[in-house]
Amino acid sequence: EAQVTQNPRYLITVTGKKLTVTCSQNMNHEYMSWYRQDPGLGLRQIYYSMNVEVTDKGDVPEGYKVSRKEKRNFPLILESPSPNQTSLYFCASTRLLAGGNEQFFGPGTRLTVL
Amino acid sequence: DQQVKQNSPSLSVQEGRISILNCDYTNSMFDYFLWYKKYPAEGPTFLISISSIKDKNEDGRFTVFLNKSAKHLSLHIVPSQPGDSAVYFCAASNSNFGNEKLTFGTGTRLTIIP
Repeated sequence: EAQVTQNPRYLITVTGKKLTVTCSQNMNHEYMSWYRQDPGLGLRQIYYSMNVEVTDKGDVPEGYKVSRKEKRNFPLILESPSPNQTSLYFCASTRLLAGGNEQFFGPGTRLTVL
Repeated sequence: DQQVKQNSPSLSVQEGRISILNCDYTNSMFDYFLWYKKYPAEGPTFLISISSIKDKNEDGRFTVFLNKSAKHLSLHIVPSQPGDSAVYFCAASNSNFGNEKLTFGTGTRLTIIP
C-alpha cells in the first residue's frame, strides 16, 4: 500500500529538549515536504526536498532543520523546541503528473511544547 | 498575507443537496489549483485539481470550477453524502514541475446533515 508514515503521532515535550519527527514514504518519490497546520492559518510549508541531499526552506523554516540522506526518509528536527512550535505537523511526498502534481500526506504528528 | 482565502469557516448542507465550497486567491502567478479533504486525525487527501488552462474539471460527484478573471475557484459536490463531512482545503501553486510550493487556504468545515 502506497503511504507516508510519520512517528510519533503525538508528542509532548519541554522547551529546549531536542526532538526528531520521522517521515518515510514507500512510493519512490523524489520530492518531499514538511508542513505545519495552525488554527486560522491553514497549512504552511516548513522545508522541502527535491532529492537526496537537496533541501530548501519553505515559508516558516525558523527553528527547524531537515535532512535527506535517503530517498524514502525526510526527518524533521527541532534542535531547541519552543512553545510557539506547538502545532500539527504533516509530511508529504509528491507524485509528478502531467499538468500538475499530487501530494500525499502522512497522518500528522501533534506536538505540544511546554 | 493570505494569498489563498476560504472565507467560510463552516458550511452545513442537507444530504442529497449540492455543496459549494469557495476559494479566492490573490497571486496571479498561480496556475494550478487543488482541493484536499481532511478527516480528523488523518492527513489531507487529494480530491481534485485543475490547471489554469481549463475552467472546469469533473470527477464523479466532484467538480471544480475556475474563474481566472475573478481569481476564484469553487468545488461542487453533488449529491452530498454523510461521508463528505470533513474539512476541505483549497491549495494553489505557480509551478507544476518538481516541488511546487503549495499555498493552502484556511479550510472550510463541511457538515452533511442526514
